Order: sequence, then C-alpha cells, then structure tokens
Amino acid sequence: KQEVTQIPAALSVPEGENLVLNCSFTDSAIYNLQWFRQDPGKGLTSLLLIQSSQREQTSGRLNASLDKSSGRSTLYIAASQPGDSATYLCAVRRNAGGTSYGKLTFGQGTILTVHP
Amino acid sequence: EAGVAQSPRYKIIEKRQSVAFWCNPISGHATLYWYQQILGQGPKLLIQFQNNGVVDDSQLPKDRFSAERLKGVDSTLKIQPAKLEDSAVYLCASSWGVSSSYNSPLHFGNGTRLTVT
Repeated sequence: KQEVTQIPAALSVPEGENLVLNCSFTDSAIYNLQWFRQDPGKGLTSLLLIQSSQREQTSGRLNASLDKSSGRSTLYIAASQPGDSATYLCAVRRNAGGTSYGKLTFGQGTILTVHP
Repeated sequence: EAGVAQSPRYKIIEKRQSVAFWCNPISGHATLYWYQQILGQGPKLLIQFQNNGVVDDSQLPKDRFSAERLKGVDSTLKIQPAKLEDSAVYLCASSWGVSSSYNSPLHFGNGTRLTVT
C-alpha cells in the first residue's frame, strides 16, 4: 500500500525567501507525481506533474524534482510572496496495468504561510 | 474552458439523514473521481469512473455510500444514512486520461462541505 508523507506539516516564512517542501512515498513503482495547491475553501489546483522518467519540472518560480529510487520529491518555491500562502499537496500515481488503474494517493499537505 | 462544477457548496444535515452531491466534469474528460477530504488531511479516493464504468471503489463504504455516472458525463454521490464521521469536504475531479495514459493532471471542483450534526 502506497503511503505519502509530507514534511513539514506547516511552514511560515518571510516574503522573499526561497523554500523547499518535501514529499516522500513508500512504493517507488510510480507512474507520475503531481504537486497541487489548495486555497482555503477551494478545490485543488494542479501545479506541476512529473513523469516517472523525468527528474524535474519547472513552472515560473516553482521547480519540482523527483528521485524515484529514494522515494522523494521536493517542491522549490523561489522568492516567495504572500500570495503563495496555501496548502501544498503532493500526490503519487501508481503504475496502471492489470488490475491496477493508476490510483492517485495524496499526502496530508504542507500549510505554507508567507508573511509580508 | 469551464471548470469542474459541483453543487451544493455547503450542506448541513442530521445523522441518519440522506444527502446527494452532484458533479459536472470538464467536457470531454473521460475519468471522474470523488474524493473525501477530512479537515487537516489529504483527499482520499472514494470512487473512480472511466466513462460510465467504475474502475476503483475499494475505499467506498458501500453500505452507506453510492455513486453513479450516467452517460459518462455528470455524476452523483449519495450518502444514506449519514454518520457524524462523514463530515468532510467532498471533492470531484476529472481528467483527460484513461487507464492506459494517466499523464494528464486532475482538475478539481471547489467541493461540497458536508456537516453532519
């Protein structure tokens, strides 16, 4: 059974800082890994999707890396802004095939607060 | 493109009552998901549809929860009877991918916040 853990559970930083959020997973037989953002009272917004064959993906100030063999992913946020304040979740999709249908397993999230 | 639509946004019911949630996915998305998110936790998959067929309902409490996706488009999730522990946000998501290609990201609706008293 895949288990996804995110550290830290909460993080508070001053505006302008670079920061790293961590995600670890127990089963390395994954198809892809996604990072999501969730604002209070809202659904999840997909930020980055990394295929199992890739090492990293970048979008603007966000960079996500994947080390499948060690079961780890990091989300790097450069020059953080108050608008980045949200909960960040990672989710791992297992390999599809046979009776497996690519189930997506979420971590519990990291609550990020960027203060001015 | 229009996003995933969910209704209602909020629902308060008493335990043992029934409730239904509705989801309209993004047009053309073959895969539809219902997730339960308890406060402070990540979403937990309840059921996954591919078109109008169920591909994973292993974590759906089938004695009280049911879901359907008629004609492979809209979906409803029902709880009958509700328990206190069902208080959560119920999220619907859809994606382009089918079982052989899950490379497309999930698009989520804003969810329905259910409170059972």
